[in-house]
Amino acid sequence: DIQMTQSPSSVSASIGDRVTITCRTSQDISRWLAWYQQKPGKAPKLLIYAASSLQSGVPSRFSGNGSGTDFSLTVSSLQPDDIATYYCQQAKIFPFTFGPGTKVEI
Amino acid sequence: QEQLVESGGGLVQPGRSLRLSCEASGSTLSRYGIHWVRQAPGKGLEWVALISNNGNNKFYADSVKGRFTISRDRSKNMLFLEMASLRPQDTAIYYCAKEAFSGSYYGMDVWGPGTMVTVSS
Repeated sequence: DIQMTQSPSSVSASIGDRVTITCRTSQDISRWLAWYQQKPGKAPKLLIYAASSLQSGVPSRFSGNGSGTDFSLTVSSLQPDDIATYYCQQAKIFPFTFGPGTKVEI
Repeated sequence: QEQLVESGGGLVQPGRSLRLSCEASGSTLSRYGIHWVRQAPGKGLEWVALISNNGNNKFYADSVKGRFTISRDRSKNMLFLEMASLRPQDTAIYYCAKEAFSGSYYGMDVWGPGTMVTVSS
């Protein structure tokens, strides 16, 4: 199975800050990576698919980058509504796997 | 607007079985692959299973392989997860989620609110 790591596990930032989360996979997955945002008590929300494609309706301050084994999610200017836990997920090889998550706090 | 709603969760004893359902409204599920994803209390997301849009291909996480069975009823626009030989570590919120694009696997764009399964004696 493909192992996923994310760093940092948590980050404390201020409103307006640029925040970057990284995701690393144990095997080359090309660009088969998605990013999700989850708020407490809610289902996850798709932000990015195919490593860098912005899902419809997602603010443009979110962006994704990377290919192979190293990926990143960047929030260009953190807003109060962005306080959440973020997960990466590989969609290249079954079984699909999620990263352990990164909690973004103020 | 597309919506998914899970049902069938509850308290079940270890070793027993449970069947979860996922019903779609506002769209037809038949064109899309559908996943089950779970989240244990206070933990991260764990992918559980996927059934392809035509129902011919099914994939499972190692932790549930041989115990869980995913299926779909295209005529009723519904998806199911049959869970057998349940263990305490299967305790989680179970979400069904739809693939964003027909015929491929890029990410899950519509999620249900989840149904809680508690395995305990």
